[in-house]
Amino acid sequence: GAGVSQSPSNKVTEKGKDVELRCDPISGHTALYWYRQSLGQGLEFLIYFQGNSAPDKSGLPSDRFSAERTGGSVSTLTIQRTQQEDSAVYLCASTLVSPSGDTQYFGPGTRLTVL
Amino acid sequence: AQSVTQLDSQVPVFEEAPVELRCNYSSSVSVYLFWYVQYPNQGLQLLLKYLSGSTLVKGINGFEAEFNKSQTSFHLRKPSVHISDTAEYFCAVERNTGKLIFGQGTTLQVKP
Repeated sequence: GAGVSQSPSNKVTEKGKDVELRCDPISGHTALYWYRQSLGQGLEFLIYFQGNSAPDKSGLPSDRFSAERTGGSVSTLTIQRTQQEDSAVYLCASTLVSPSGDTQYFGPGTRLTVL
Repeated sequence: AQSVTQLDSQVPVFEEAPVELRCNYSSSVSVYLFWYVQYPNQGLQLLLKYLSGSTLVKGINGFEAEFNKSQTSFHLRKPSVHISDTAEYFCAVERNTGKLIFGQGTTLQVKP
């Protein structure tokens, strides 16, 4: 597709369950980012990938959160043992080459609701 | 540490009036500056960015912003707003790492 896509668009889960969120970046984009948008915390950086490696994981809130990227393309954000405070919109973005000053193109997000 | 402050959480304005959305940042080093817009139920879209050079930056949809290093500000302006400009606007900084640090956002409400 032409833009960043994310799936699912909405996810409702029960507390304690694991969830996987998927991001398909723009074709050819080497850098990929995950952010979280919540009412209390605003927009927060989670993790950054350059290719398949993650040089910056500083925003992951706990060890229940992990992410991987394979083939320099699709990325999956996994949240284990979900808690109610994990409820948020998870946004993915990608940039063409260098992260420095490059425009980040955002996907529409996955709205996660933990009951 | 870097931080971004958007001074107004909501800005109501009448259609065709001018608007300014304020953004201040704190950083001990040079940063790149961005404004993103988020329409309801959509992802973020870049309005404009400042990397270097001219301090007045023009973006899409008639928006512009001015980088003021001495005041560490990057305020967003539009001379005449439309109903369709109703959205949430985010100021962000990046320090050569790709990681965007966002402000809390300003909701622009354009009234007819």
